[in-house]
Amino acid sequence: ETGVTQTPRHLVMGMTNKKSLKCEQHLGHNAMYWYKQSAKKPLELMFVYNFKEQTENNSVPSRFSPECPNSSHLFLHLHTLQPEDSALYLCASSQGGGGGNQPQHFGDGTRLSIL
Amino acid sequence: SQQGEEDPQALSIQEGENATMNCSYKTSINNLQWYRQNSGRGLVHLILIRSNEREKHSGRLRVTLDTSKKSSSLLITASRAADTASYFCARISNQGAQKLVFGQGTRLTINP
Repeated sequence: ETGVTQTPRHLVMGMTNKKSLKCEQHLGHNAMYWYKQSAKKPLELMFVYNFKEQTENNSVPSRFSPECPNSSHLFLHLHTLQPEDSALYLCASSQGGGGGNQPQHFGDGTRLSIL
Repeated sequence: SQQGEEDPQALSIQEGENATMNCSYKTSINNLQWYRQNSGRGLVHLILIRSNEREKHSGRLRVTLDTSKKSSSLLITASRAADTASYFCARISNQGAQKLVFGQGTRLTINP
């Protein structure tokens, strides 16, 4: 139990579907992150939220839409995805200002497959 | 590229042996972190070493940092089958917002 819970663990969707990934952290952290992990590629940072405010958008296509209603919850809304978006999507949280000076705590990810 | 390079990309050893994984990077750092990822799971933070530290220990883990060579190593002593995982180093990007940049990782297999 890492204190960061992601749902669903697996998701299969068509390119025209709309779905959402959810992340919840029980650690009292104030920064939350979305990462994409594809096969044979380094972990890619997508978004950073610090105290519910987005502080980083790493040139992510608009078909990925994050939402952070409070410091404990983070969503990633998906629509009209492409096959190359199939990957493991990881959520993480940390103390501090959303940078790299604190350890990050990861959830177990959502394995996304686009048909 | 700002991303670090871990080597080897894959390492297979016998249980009980020591495992050493290396990480090199190109830009100056404030700290460097090591993470482990078991198959199908998220990353787990192992050790954070600051730029003014040279060595840090945690149980069977030992991390060294050589800022002059821009490199770090992770040593796992007396390896166990449960140590089988991918290991990543990560450090803060010095471009734009402060964010962690991960390497591609070392896939470690411990054979019983």
